[in-house]
Amino acid sequence: DAGVIQSPRHEVTEMGQEVTLRCKPISGHDYLFWYRQTMMRGLELLIYFNNNVPIDDSGMPEDRFSAKMPNASFSTLKIQPSEPRDSAVYFCASSLNEKLFFGSGTQLSVL
Amino acid sequence: SQQGEEDPQALSIQEGENATMNCSYKTSINNLQWYRQNSGRGLVHLILIRSNEREKHSGRLRVTLDTSKKSSSLLITASRAADTASYFCATDADRGSTLGRLYFGRGTQLTVWP
Repeated sequence: DAGVIQSPRHEVTEMGQEVTLRCKPISGHDYLFWYRQTMMRGLELLIYFNNNVPIDDSGMPEDRFSAKMPNASFSTLKIQPSEPRDSAVYFCASSLNEKLFFGSGTQLSVL
Repeated sequence: SQQGEEDPQALSIQEGENATMNCSYKTSINNLQWYRQNSGRGLVHLILIRSNEREKHSGRLRVTLDTSKKSSSLLITASRAADTASYFCATDADRGSTLGRLYFGRGTQLTVWP
């Protein structure tokens, strides 16, 4: 198995632009998590899905952030419009039980 | 907050020495996990210890859990330069469910010098 696949690996955009991050979880995993990592705040859970259904989105910072999971093999995290304070590494993780498998992350820089 | 906190924030040792990292948390848990993160990479699961377990081993890793003190420790024996990474503890919330929100600490940055 290729593991959790995230794209793009790096994204540089200008303030106000729409950003879409993509994630392909490990086949057969029924939980998918989106995390954000910054030096200031550490690792924050943004939202997680179970069987493609959003379970807890209380970590989503504001309405500019949205996440979807249209099927078991694909999820997106969208930021519209993006702001410099959104700059961070965004991780996707999937799980079948308590153990999480993380992707390599997307390094987002909003100028 | 349920978030775990690792101590120390940074640890620097020589190859061959043992490294001990600690984690404290605030409320009851079902289990506690340790993860490693190499620079520029995602987190990798190392070990899980359940609330009814006191000690667990995996290769050169030894994890202890003291639920009365709400603390855990991760011991890496005979460290190697390749162990250089950040180490995070993660706790769940004891809600009776087997999987849900995981709370990560800020991590301990371990540097092992050759």
